[in-house]
This record gives sequence, C-alpha cells and structure tokens, in this order.
Amino acid sequence: ILNVEQSPQSLHVQEGDSTNFTCSFPSSNFYALHWYRWETAKSPEALFVMTLNGDEKKKGRISATLNTKEGYSYLYIKGSQPEDSATYLCAYSGTYKYIFGTGTRLKVLA
Amino acid sequence: EAGVAQSPRYKIIEKRQSVAFWCNPISGHATLYWYQQILGQGPKLLIQFQNNGVVDDSQLPKDRFSAERLKGVDSTLKIQPAKLEDSAVYLCASSHPGAADEQYFGPGTRLTVT
Repeated sequence: ILNVEQSPQSLHVQEGDSTNFTCSFPSSNFYALHWYRWETAKSPEALFVMTLNGDEKKKGRISATLNTKEGYSYLYIKGSQPEDSATYLCAYSGTYKYIFGTGTRLKVLA
Repeated sequence: EAGVAQSPRYKIIEKRQSVAFWCNPISGHATLYWYQQILGQGPKLLIQFQNNGVVDDSQLPKDRFSAERLKGVDSTLKIQPAKLEDSAVYLCASSHPGAADEQYFGPGTRLTVT
C-alpha cells in the first residue's frame, strides 16, 4: 500500500512567524510531487510541481524542496500572514497516479 | 481562462436518496478526475477519464456510484442510493496531457447525507 503522509496535521502560528511542513512519499516509481493550497470553500490551488531530486521552487514567501531518494518534500512559509491560513496538500504521482496526503491545516493568528 | 466549474456547491439529502454532481472542465483539457474528500482525509481518486474513456475507476464503489463523460467534455457523477458515509466534498479536476500532470480543481460539491 502506497502512502503519502504529511506532518503536522495542523498548527497555529503567530503572524510573522516562519513555518514548515513535511510530505513523505514513496521513493519508487516517482514522477512528480505536487503542493496545493486549499482555502475553505475555494478550489485547491496548485503551488508547485517538482520532478527532479534537489528541486527547489519559490513563489513569494513560499518555497519548497524535494528529495526523491529519501522520499520527502518540505514546504516553507516565511513571515506567515493571516491570508496564508489554509490546508496545504501534497500529492505524489508515480505508477499509481496522484495519491494525496491528508494535508496540514495552518492557522495564522493576527 | 475559465476554471473548472462544478454544481451544485452544496447538497443535503437523506440516506437512500439519489444525487448527481456536474463538472465542466477547462476547455481543451482531455483528462478529467473525480475525487472524494472525507473530512480529515486526503482527496481519494474515484475515477479518471481520458476524453470520454475511463482510465482508472478502481476506487469507485460501482454498486452505488456511476460517472460518465459524454462527448469528452462535461461529466456527471451519480450516487444511488446514498449512504451516510458518502458525506464528503466531491472535487472535479482536469488536466492537459503533459505539464507534469498538473491538475486544476473546481470548488467542489459538499454533500451531507442525513
């Protein structure tokens, strides 16, 4: 059984704090790792797609890294803002396409 | 570019009733996906279409769930009869072949079965 695990399940941070989440995925038959941001009552929004070991992507205050050999990815948020509050999902695509993690629910307190 | 459209946004039904959800993917996207997201879990793929053919429906409970994609564009997902455990958000997504399978999601339909 292939599992994609995310940690922590949820966290609260103060505005201005930096934070990071982990996504663990199968290292075999890897094709891509995706990060999504999902706000309540809205569509999940693609943040990053990464395919190569050692990939680093950045969009504003959010960045992500990828280690395909050991099967993990980190998502970093620098200087968290209340509008960053959302569920952050990662998804592994490989032989068995698109297995999502359970998400990390972030709440940024003003 | 218009996004993925879904309707209805919310639906409340009693168990054993039937319900249908509709999805209009992004124009030109050949691949369409239906996911079920139960509270506290990640989205689970129910069915994947490539144009109007089924690529993967291994996790679709076929005794009560059905889906079709006529003419390779719009799609409907039906549940008949619904059970309490079907309460979830049903997400539709579409993708263009290539582009590392990046999927674009609709806003989802939140189903509550009472």
